[in-house]
Amino acid sequence: DQQVKQNSPSLSVQEGRISILNCDYTNSMFDYFLWYKKYPAEGPTFLISISSIKDKNEDGRFTVFLNKSAKHLSLHIVPSQPGDSAVYFCAAGSIIQGAQKLVFGQGTRLTINP
Amino acid sequence: NAGVTQTPKFQVLKTGQSMTLQCAQDMNHEYMSWYRQDPGMGLRLIHYSVGAGITDQGEVPNGYNVSRSTTEDFPLRLLSAAPSQTSVYFCASSSRGDNEQFFGPGTRLTVL
Repeated sequence: DQQVKQNSPSLSVQEGRISILNCDYTNSMFDYFLWYKKYPAEGPTFLISISSIKDKNEDGRFTVFLNKSAKHLSLHIVPSQPGDSAVYFCAAGSIIQGAQKLVFGQGTRLTINP
Repeated sequence: NAGVTQTPKFQVLKTGQSMTLQCAQDMNHEYMSWYRQDPGMGLRLIHYSVGAGITDQGEVPNGYNVSRSTTEDFPLRLLSAAPSQTSVYFCASSSRGDNEQFFGPGTRLTVL
């Protein structure tokens, strides 16, 4: 059973417009949520995170929104740039006996068109 | 800082062979973990460690062994490789109390 789902395998956005990536989860006990960005042949790199007690976190062009009642989070990128083209993974985290355990979604491939 | 390093980058094995994927970090992180990435399935946790001498199973541990004799190193052993273990393997590390995990560049493994 997939605890974290990204239902859009791909998304295409025009340069300069807003990109919105979505993620749904089923377990209300997650402590925090993160977004990772991944280029081909590289490891994922951390983008932004949000605690389960907050509903918004902003870092430059990136904003993450958390809707706990809907068990939904989204990543907004504005304005979108060609370098944003990558696969984006959302992840949900729990701290269990001192261990940070992440559950990842399947990923969404974002393509920014010039 | 080199961050998280993984060797080898690529490996081809025959069914039944064994091998060790190496992972090292130079950030003095307590927490290290191994993930595998398969198409359409995201990253899945194989094993993790909260410190030297302490390891535990993740979501998909079968067929893999780990040990953590030092803070820096966290090798992943495939005991008898199977085609189902064809995947890209990522090692990650983080500091206690820090939500962000730092990932290595990955090892692409093919089992024939």
